[in-house]
Amino acid sequence: DIQMTQSPSSLSGSVGDKVTITCRASQNISTWLAWYQQKPGRAPNLLIYKASSLESGVPSRFAGSGSGTEFTLTITSLQPDDFVIYYCQQYDSYPITFGQGTRLEIK
Amino acid sequence: VQLQESGPGLLRPSQTLSLSCAVSGGSIDTGNYSWTWIRQHPGKGLEWIGYVYYNGLTSYNPSLKRRLTISIDPSQTQFSLRVRFVTAADTAVYYCARVACTSNDCYKGWFYGMDVWGQGTAVIVSS
Repeated sequence: DIQMTQSPSSLSGSVGDKVTITCRASQNISTWLAWYQQKPGRAPNLLIYKASSLESGVPSRFAGSGSGTEFTLTITSLQPDDFVIYYCQQYDSYPITFGQGTRLEIK
Repeated sequence: VQLQESGPGLLRPSQTLSLSCAVSGGSIDTGNYSWTWIRQHPGKGLEWIGYVYYNGLTSYNPSLKRRLTISIDPSQTQFSLRVRFVTAADTAVYYCARVACTSNDCYKGWFYGMDVWGQGTAVIVSS
């Protein structure tokens, strides 16, 4: 199985800040990576697929980049609703696997 | 499109978990989507369980494959999950989701994300 490792596990920021979350794959996954946001008690919500393609309706302050084994999710101008958990997901090969999550906390 | 999981919330060890996901507001037997189950252990991350495609073909997580059946019923606009011989390790919130996918293989370039999710249903396995 492809292991997905997110860093940091948690980070803090303030409203208006820019933050970056990193996701590393245990092997080359090209650009077959998605990012999801999960609010407390809710299902995950798709933000980005194919490493950098923004899902329809997702604010442009979310941006993904990377290829191969290293990927980033950057959130610019943090809003109060953004302080939740983010997961990366690889879909290069089965089984589909997720990172362990990064909790974004308000400073 | 909306998805809604249903099924028993409490099971005894060795029983069979059966969940259904009702799909409303759209067709379930279109070739543009497949359907998936994901689970989340308490306080933990996400685990992919498997896919069922519009034509009934399936892809399963090898870690669960021997206990798993995912099926689709277009006449009822729903798909289902069965996990046999449950243990406490199967305690989790179970989500159903739609996968934007243009092939019978929902990975690599045919995959466009798990774009609609149910609200999730909690399953506890306890004696």
